[in-house]
Amino acid sequence: DGGITQSPKYLFRKEGQNVTLSCEQNLNHDAMYWYRQDPGQGLRLIYYSQIVNDFQKGDIAEGYSVSREKKESFPLTVTSAQKNPTAFYLCASSSTDNQPQHFGDGTRLSIL
Amino acid sequence: GQNIDQPTEMTATEGAIVQINCTYQTSGFNGLFWYQQHAGEAPTFLSYNVLDGLEEKGRFSSFLSRSKGYSYLLLKELQMKDSASYLCAVRGADSWGKLQFGAGTQVVVTP
Repeated sequence: DGGITQSPKYLFRKEGQNVTLSCEQNLNHDAMYWYRQDPGQGLRLIYYSQIVNDFQKGDIAEGYSVSREKKESFPLTVTSAQKNPTAFYLCASSSTDNQPQHFGDGTRLSIL
Repeated sequence: GQNIDQPTEMTATEGAIVQINCTYQTSGFNGLFWYQQHAGEAPTFLSYNVLDGLEEKGRFSSFLSRSKGYSYLLLKELQMKDSASYLCAVRGADSWGKLQFGAGTQVVVTP
């Protein structure tokens, strides 16, 4: 089945540690996105990528990094510079700008 | 920038109708999306409006007025499974594919 797979579902980070969240899609979509969602708030854009080997910062990119070496994959690294990383992280993809974004099941990141 | 407002919470009875309003202020406009999100799950796409008017899809309808910066999502014949958060998202004219999301409206359906 086509879709977006995020892993792991739950992740714990120690202070000073970098962690990487995986996002893979087999929908052949060009564009991929990372969002952060905090309780009672809407989704905020961290990074997005329109094509392979290219990506742009969203509204809250500080403390995060991404790569887009393959069309199918868009991993997000939460670095130690992100002082408040506890949140629900959602990856999305879309084929063109007129099509809706489809979301993965999310990764819930917590601090140990 | 963009500012998107929607009510925080609405409560309705099973079988009733609920209308969720969304107002937006954007520097250009290239479409409005509605998503449904159950607690702890990913958002799922419900509807898309880019032209003025009503789009109907089964029990769900969405309306757009670009001149007023206004949209609503209408849920008819409410069922218990419709209890969820409903997110309004706007795409600006200068941002390819990027969406700006409202904070979401929590709909509680009671028996």
